[in-house]
Amino acid sequence: DAGVIQSPRHEVTEMGQEVTLRCKPISGHDYLFWYRQTMMRGLELLIYFNNNVPIDDSGMPEDRFSAKMPNASFSTLKIQPSEPRDSAVYFCASSTTSSEAFFGQGTRLTVV
Amino acid sequence: EDKVVQSPLSLVVHEGDTVTLNCSYEVTNFRSLLWYKQEKKAPTFLFMLTSSGIEKKSGRLSSILDKKELFSILNITATQTGDSAVYLCAVERNAGNMLTFGGGTRLMVKP
Repeated sequence: DAGVIQSPRHEVTEMGQEVTLRCKPISGHDYLFWYRQTMMRGLELLIYFNNNVPIDDSGMPEDRFSAKMPNASFSTLKIQPSEPRDSAVYFCASSTTSSEAFFGQGTRLTVV
Repeated sequence: EDKVVQSPLSLVVHEGDTVTLNCSYEVTNFRSLLWYKQEKKAPTFLFMLTSSGIEKKSGRLSSILDKKELFSILNITATQTGDSAVYLCAVERNAGNMLTFGGGTRLMVKP
């Protein structure tokens, strides 16, 4: 398996634009997590899914953030409209009930 | 609210030194504690600890958990420059597999 695949690897966008981050979890993993990492706040859980269903989105900072998982092999995290303070590295991770979480390579988002 | 605190924040050592990284936690319905190593990109898994007092070992790295005192340590012996990274500790609850991460310890190993 190629591991958790995220795209794009880097994204630079202007304030106010919509940003969509994508994630393909490891096949067979039934948990998917979206994390955000900044120098100030470290790694924070934004939302996670179990069997494609959102379980806990209490970490989503604002209504500008939304996440979907239409099927077991794909998830998106959307920010609309984006703001400079959203600049961070966004990680997707997946796991099974009994395994550790495996992380993707991350998407470095810069909002100017 | 779950809390994970790592110390020290950063550490600079020379090759060959031994280091001990600390992680203390408060979590409801504790399930496991995990250590990850993060170099430039994604965190990579090191250890998962669920039982107190049982040391897990992988080469020069080892870790142990104390569920009574709510902490874990990660030891690295005979450090090498390739050990330079941020080491992250995370705790997992019984329900949901979600991880709460500490702020990390940044380790720099000088030649």
